Amino acid sequence: ETGVTQTPRHLVMGMTNKKSLKCEQHLGHNAMYWYKQSAKKPLELMFVYNFKEQTENNSVPSRFSPECPNSSHLFLHLHTLQPEDSALYLCASSQDGLRDPRFYNEQFFGPGTRLTVL
Amino acid sequence: GDSVTQMEGPVTLSEEAFLTINCTYTATGYPSLFWYVQYPGEGLQLLLKATKADDKGSNKGFEATYRKETTSFHLEKGSVQVSDSAVYFCALSATSGTYKYIFGTGTRLKVLA
Repeated sequence: ETGVTQTPRHLVMGMTNKKSLKCEQHLGHNAMYWYKQSAKKPLELMFVYNFKEQTENNSVPSRFSPECPNSSHLFLHLHTLQPEDSALYLCASSQDGLRDPRFYNEQFFGPGTRLTVL
Repeated sequence: GDSVTQMEGPVTLSEEAFLTINCTYTATGYPSLFWYVQYPGEGLQLLLKATKADDKGSNKGFEATYRKETTSFHLEKGSVQVSDSAVYFCALSATSGTYKYIFGTGTRLKVLA
């Protein structure tokens, strides 16, 4: 148990559906992340939020829409996805200090949501 | 830009064998280096880290030394167990660009009894 929970754990959706992934962290961290994990590819950072403000969007298609209502919750809204979007979506959180890599702390990951797009 | 390269798997070992998983990095500054482990059905967990050159991170019998001269952070364990079967990711905290962390592709380790 890392202190980061994700729901649902598994999701199957059609290309025309709209669904949302939820992440919650109980660690008091100020930064939250969405990653995409596909087979045989490096972990892809999708979005970063610091103090509820989106600080990074790694050229993610607009069919993925993040929302961070507070520092403990992070959502990923999905609509009109493609089969190639099928992957494991991981949420993570950290307590970030200054924007100096030497002060970056470890990231705590949730178990992920296994998404299948038909 | 910054990058991480780690050896492709899968790596299959017998129990009590010695483990090395190679990791090299490219960075323009002075990143921190990490090894994360992902057990089946779970998210990634930090295994160990090193924040400056010559630092050695260690945890659960695993070790890795931050080698600036060879830009490497190889993971080692003297005697693996079946329970070590997992996917291992090398990562760095980026010093340039828009990424905060950069992960390698992961190396799957399978330990046979």
